[in-house]
Amino acid sequence: ETGVTQSPTHLIKTRGQQVTLRCSSQSGHNTVSWYQQALGQGPQFIFQYYREEENGRGNFPPRFSGLQFPNYSSELNVNALELDDSALYLCASSPSGGQPQHFGDGTRLSIL
Amino acid sequence: QQQVKQSPQSLIVQKGGIPIINCAYENTAFDYFPWYQQFPGKGPALLIAIRPDVSEKKEGRFTISFNKSAKQFSLHIMDSQPGDSATYFCAAVNTGNQFYFGTGTSLTVIP
Repeated sequence: ETGVTQSPTHLIKTRGQQVTLRCSSQSGHNTVSWYQQALGQGPQFIFQYYREEENGRGNFPPRFSGLQFPNYSSELNVNALELDDSALYLCASSPSGGQPQHFGDGTRLSIL
Repeated sequence: QQQVKQSPQSLIVQKGGIPIINCAYENTAFDYFPWYQQFPGKGPALLIAIRPDVSEKKEGRFTISFNKSAKQFSLHIMDSQPGDSATYFCAAVNTGNQFYFGTGTSLTVIP
């Protein structure tokens, strides 16, 4: 059974740039959620995708957007990067019906 | 607004001790309460989870105690080991499968 994989593992960008992060869900999981984890904090829910449609969103601005593909993999796109966007971005997948949710090891995004 | 409050922020115990981490929530729409363990450089890993229709769940050395009326739940780690040193997060999940995490507890187990 393949777990959740994310790429890249690390990324450095500058303010104003755009970034795309990628996630492959665990085998058999059709729901993908994205989280932002600032240093020393718990993960904050960004949004969730189910069957290629956004299925819930947290308190994040529209410059955070996503996609889910027919194979259930997903992308997180962030436009107009700000310094506060520096964080660990986590992807988690779960089966239809919700639980359990398993996380990847994240992408560490640094904004200079 | 923090939907789930977690304490303490950090905890140091001797090997064999029983660290206890506490969480409290407000929203009664939550119906699933997992605990995650996170090591540096890794994503959170699911440890154990409980639904509000039971008051206690044990899996190996990990126990969740759940008090529905008080809207509180806690994690107990029996016979703690140095390898348990990590950051622990509680979470509350609503019926829309959206997770709300606590702020984390850094646990250190001294040999």
